[in-house]
Amino acid sequence: EDKVVQSPLSLVVHEGDTVTLNCSYEVTNFRSLLWYKQEKKAPTFLFMLTSSGIEKKSGRLSSILDKKELFSILNITATQTGDSAIYLCAGVTSGTYKYIFGTGTRLKVLA
Amino acid sequence: DTGVSQNPRHKITKRGQNVTFRCDPISEHNRLYWYRQTLGQGPEFLTYFQNEAQLEKSRLLSDRFSAERPKGSFSTLEIQRTEQGDSAMYLCASSLGSGILNEQFFGPGTRLTVL
Repeated sequence: EDKVVQSPLSLVVHEGDTVTLNCSYEVTNFRSLLWYKQEKKAPTFLFMLTSSGIEKKSGRLSSILDKKELFSILNITATQTGDSAIYLCAGVTSGTYKYIFGTGTRLKVLA
Repeated sequence: DTGVSQNPRHKITKRGQNVTFRCDPISEHNRLYWYRQTLGQGPEFLTYFQNEAQLEKSRLLSDRFSAERPKGSFSTLEIQRTEQGDSAMYLCASSLGSGILNEQFFGPGTRLTVL
C-alpha cells in the first residue's frame, strides 16, 4: 500500500534556527513529490520535485529529492514566527496523479 | 486565494442527516480531486474526476458517499446518513492535468461537524 511518512511529527524552535523536515515515501508508479504549507486553511504549494539531486529553492526554503533512497528533505533557514505551520509532503502517482500525503510536521517557531 | 472555491465553508449537522458540498474548480482545469482531512492527519484521497468521468474512488468512500461532476465543471460530494466519524475538513483540488507539472490547487475546504 502506498504510504508517506514524515518526521519529526512536531518541532519547536526559536527564531533564527535552521530546521530540516524529513519525508520518506513508498508510492506505486511514483511521479513526483510535493511539499505544501498548511496554516489554518487549505494547503499552499511550496515545491514540486521530480528529479533526484536537484535542489529547489525559494527564499529561505529549499528542498531536494533522493529517488534511490526514496526520501526528500525540506530545509528552512533563519526561521521566523510566520513559518509556524504544518508542512505536508505528498507523493504523486502516475496516471491519476492523486496525492498520497504524510501526516505532516507541525512546526512552531518561537519569538 | 487559489481560484478554487468551496461551499459551504462550515457545516454543522446532526447524525443521520444528509449533507452536500460543492466545489468550483479553476475553470480550465479538467481534473478534480476530493480529499478528507481529520485533526492531526494529512489529507486522504477520496475520489478523482477527469472531466465528468469519475475514474478512481478510495475504499474510504463508503456507499454513504457519492460524488458527481455532471458537466465537467463544478462537483458535489454528498454524504448520506452522516455519522460522527464523518466530522472532518473536506478539501477539493483541481489541476490542468497535462504533462509532468500537475500541481493541484486546493480550495479553502468545508469543515463538517456531525453532532
